[in-house]
Amino acid sequence: GAGVSQSPRYKVAKRGQDVALRCDPISGHVSLFWYQQALGQGPEFLTYFQNEAQLDKSGLPSDRFFAERPEGSVSTLKIQRTQQEDSAVYLCASSLAYSRAEQFFGPGTRLTVL
Amino acid sequence: AQSVAQPEDQVNVAEGNPLTVKCTYSVSGNPYLFWYVQYPNRGLQFLLKYITGDNLVKGSYGFEAEFNKSQTSFHLKKPSALVSDSALYFCAVSPKAAGNKLTFGGGTRVLVKP
Repeated sequence: GAGVSQSPRYKVAKRGQDVALRCDPISGHVSLFWYQQALGQGPEFLTYFQNEAQLDKSGLPSDRFFAERPEGSVSTLKIQRTQQEDSAVYLCASSLAYSRAEQFFGPGTRLTVL
Repeated sequence: AQSVAQPEDQVNVAEGNPLTVKCTYSVSGNPYLFWYVQYPNRGLQFLLKYITGDNLVKGSYGFEAEFNKSQTSFHLKKPSALVSDSALYFCAVSPKAAGNKLTFGGGTRVLVKP
C-alpha cells in the first residue's frame, strides 16, 4: 500500500516568499504530525492533527507557520515570509489513532531559503 | 519536559560484529520508546517500539532493544551487523499521558565496514 507522500520534495525560496508544503497521509490514519529537521539534528515536533482538529501546535516556531487539514486527510504546512533559519527538512508523519501507535514518515520536503 | 540523549554521534563496527546504539531518556511517568532509521534522502523508517511488558523488544531487520527502567535507557542492538545497516538512527520518546508527539534524540550515525 501507499505510504505517506509529500510534495514538493525540494523547494527553494527567496527570503520573504511564502511557501506551502503538502502531505498525503496513509489512508485511514487519523493522526497527522509535522516535524522540522535541521541539518545534522533530530526531528523536532511542530504540530499535530487528529482528523481535521489541530490538537497541538506548541512546536510551531512563530506565527509565520500555519498548518491545516480541512477535510481530515491531506495537510498543508504554510510558511509566510520565509527566513533563512526556516531552511530545513519538513517531515510529515501519520498514525492510527491510539497513543501507542508508531508513526509512519514521509520522505520530507527539503526547504532552502536563499 | 521529556528529552532523549544519544551520546555517540557515530558508531563504527565491522561487518558481522555486534552493533549497539545507545539511548537514554528523561520523561515524567512511563514512556513509550521508539527507534527509527533514516537512509539518505528518505524519511524515517520505524524499527521497533517499547510500550509495556517484556523489556526486550524485537523489531525489523534483526534489530532488538532493551528497556531498562532503572537506568532510563533503551539501547538498540543487533547481533551481527551488515554493511546495509549503515544509516542514521534515532531514538524517540513519547510520554503515555501526553499524546503522541515524539521527542527525538540527535541521532547516531552507524558505519558498518566490510
